[in-house]
Amino acid sequence: GQNIDQPTEMTATEGAIVQINCTYQTSGFNGLFWYQQHAGEAPTFLSYNVLDGLEEKGRFSSFLSRSKGYSYLLLKELQMKDSASYLCAVLSGGYNKLIFGAGTRLAVHP
Amino acid sequence: ETGVTQSPTHLIKTRGQQVTLRCSSQSGHNTVSWYQQALGQGPQFIFQYYREEENGRGNFPPRFSGLQFPNYSSELNVNALELDDSALYLCASSLGTVGYTFGSGTRLTVV
Repeated sequence: GQNIDQPTEMTATEGAIVQINCTYQTSGFNGLFWYQQHAGEAPTFLSYNVLDGLEEKGRFSSFLSRSKGYSYLLLKELQMKDSASYLCAVLSGGYNKLIFGAGTRLAVHP
Repeated sequence: ETGVTQSPTHLIKTRGQQVTLRCSSQSGHNTVSWYQQALGQGPQFIFQYYREEENGRGNFPPRFSGLQFPNYSSELNVNALELDDSALYLCASSLGTVGYTFGSGTRLTVV
C-alpha cells in the first residue's frame, strides 16, 4: 500500500529550531516535496528532494534518505508566521501523482 | 507569468445537486491534477489530465469526472453531491512532472 506518516502536531518557541519528520512507503518514488499550508489556503512549495542528502534554502532545509524511506524538514530561527501545517508528499506512480501525508500542525509560541 | 487560478472561491450546494469547478493552469503547463482535501487531512488525488485525456485516477467514484481543454484549463464535475463531498478542492498544474503549482482552491460545502 501507500503510506506517509508524519506527526500530527508540534509546538516550538519563536527563534528556535524544529525538525518535522516524514516516513513513507510508496509503490514508486520520483521525489519528495514539502509544502506549507496556512488554514484555508492552498499549499505553497517549500522544497523538493529526489536524491539523498540535504537541500538548504534560507531558513528551511530538507533531508532525504531513500533507503530508509525517510525525510525531514528543518526550520530555523522560527517566526510566528511559520505557524501552519506542513505537508510531506511523495511523487509516485507512472503518471506522477502526489501522495500526501495528513500534515503536521506547527504552533510557534513567543 | 500567471499562476494557477481556480473558480469559484467558495460554493454552497445541496445534497444531490451537481457542481462544476474550474481551473486555469499556469502558462506553459500541460498537465492538470485535482485533489480533494477534507478538513484536517492531507490532499487526496482525484485524477490527472494530460493533453486533454485522463492520465490517472485515484480512489474516487465515477460521479467525479473531469475535462481538459486545448488551452490546458480544466474542469472538475461532481454529480449527485453527498455531504462528505464537502472539502477544499485543489487544482495543480505542471509541465509533465516539473513545476507542480497549486491554485488557491475552491471551498465546497454540501448541505
